Amino acid sequence: DADVTQTPRNRITKTGKRIMLECSQTKGHDRMYWYRQDPGLGLRLIYYSFDVKDINKGEISDGYSVSRQAQAKFSLSLESAIPNQTALYFCATSDSAAAGGTDTQYFGPGTRLTVL
Amino acid sequence: AQSVTQPDIHITVSEGASLELRCNYSYGATPYLFWYVQSPGQGLQLLLKYFSGDTLVQGIKGFEAEFKRSQSSFNLRKPSVHWSDAAEYFCAVGAAGDYKLSFGAGTTVTVRA
Repeated sequence: DADVTQTPRNRITKTGKRIMLECSQTKGHDRMYWYRQDPGLGLRLIYYSFDVKDINKGEISDGYSVSRQAQAKFSLSLESAIPNQTALYFCATSDSAAAGGTDTQYFGPGTRLTVL
Repeated sequence: AQSVTQPDIHITVSEGASLELRCNYSYGATPYLFWYVQSPGQGLQLLLKYFSGDTLVQGIKGFEAEFKRSQSSFNLRKPSVHWSDAAEYFCAVGAAGDYKLSFGAGTTVTVRA
C-alpha cells in the first residue's frame, strides 16, 4: 500500500462549488503539506502543518483552507472554487529533524482538479 | 529567501546517451538539496538528496548529483538514459530543521529511440 494517499485522484467541478481534497499517510510523520503544481511554475506551498494543533499558511493560501483531523490526515478545501485553481495538487509528509528525522518530504500521487 | 533555478525547460536525449540536468540555488546557509522525478501521471519520487558529507551523491535508478558550493549548483547526471527516464525532474532546496522546500520550475526530459 502507498505511504501517502490522496483522494480523489481526479475531480471536475464548477465555479463556486466547495470541494475538499483529502490526504492520508501511514508513514507516521508529524509534518504534512499541501502544494499546487502549475506548468512552468514548479510546486508552490499552500499550507503546512507541524502537528494536529499547528497549521500555517504557505506562499499561496488565499482561497484555500485546511484541516488536520489527525496526525495521519490533512484535508485541503476550496470554499468557492474558481477556474484559476485548476491545477495538480500534491500532499506531502516529512519527519522533522528535531524529532530525529531527515526533513525529507515524501509526496502523494496528486489530485488533478479542474474548475469549469 | 531561498530559490532554485533550472535553466533548461526541456531536454531531448537519445536512449543510451548521457544526461545532465542543471540546478542552481540561492541560499545563505548550508542547503539541503533534493532531486525529484515525476513520471507522466504520477506523483513526485525522491531520486536523491544531499545534506552534508561527500559532495557526490548516488541515488536511485542510476542517477547521481554533485554539490558544488562554489558554483551554487547541484546538477543531476546519468551516464546512460533509458526510455523510462522520460519524465519531469525537479530540483529543490531546503534548510536544516526548516519545513520549507523551494522548487525549481522543472526540466522535462524526452528520450528518443
